[in-house]
Amino acid sequence: QVQLVESGGGVVHPGRSLRLSCAASGFTFSNYGIHWVRQAPGKGLEWVATISHDGTHESYADSVKGRFSISRDNYAITVYLEMNTLRSDDSAVYYCAKERTDTSSSAIASWGRGTLVTVSS
Amino acid sequence: DIVMTQTPLSLPVTPGAPASISCRSSQSLLDSHDGNTYLDWFLQRPGQSPQLLIYTLSYRASGVPDRFTGSGSGTDFTLKISRVEAEDVGVYYCMQRIEFPWSFGQGTRLEIK
Repeated sequence: QVQLVESGGGVVHPGRSLRLSCAASGFTFSNYGIHWVRQAPGKGLEWVATISHDGTHESYADSVKGRFSISRDNYAITVYLEMNTLRSDDSAVYYCAKERTDTSSSAIASWGRGTLVTVSS
Repeated sequence: DIVMTQTPLSLPVTPGAPASISCRSSQSLLDSHDGNTYLDWFLQRPGQSPQLLIYTLSYRASGVPDRFTGSGSGTDFTLKISRVEAEDVGVYYCMQRIEFPWSFGQGTRLEIK
């Protein structure tokens, strides 16, 4: 059974950094692309970033490009989202999500429960 | 970047009645190389994480009832529910993945009358 467990959320001051982790289990981690999707309180879903199965390809939303960095450790079976220069509009629940198949850019089929990030002074 | 626009934003439905949600993209989601249309639909029930309903325009995800149907072409898409049930309450999102950055529609909140 696929499981994705996010951690690392919390309250942080504007301009500071935070690193989120997504621990995976129940599937062959190194075969699948992973995404981060966020949801501000009471708002809709926003795609944030993705990393390919082998870590060679990354892509980012315009709103986080240059500030956020996604990475993965296929030995630790974990994906990370390094978030720098945080702003109040980065406040959201951050979901880790797995693609449906091991084909590149397949649909997002499994989601974690999310971790809440609050950027506030 | 591709902009996704959903209508309506709110959809009250009587149990057993059909429902339809529209989604429009600012660019075609048809991949001319493989013939696939990269449009997915998700449902986020209250207090839950999103779940995949429909992928690549019209394929139902595992475990999704056949009362859910995805259709459309190019830039105009529809999610239809043949007979709404109480468990269908939540927010429905379309999403394009033909090119990065991937993008979601604003969401359509379905409620039971």
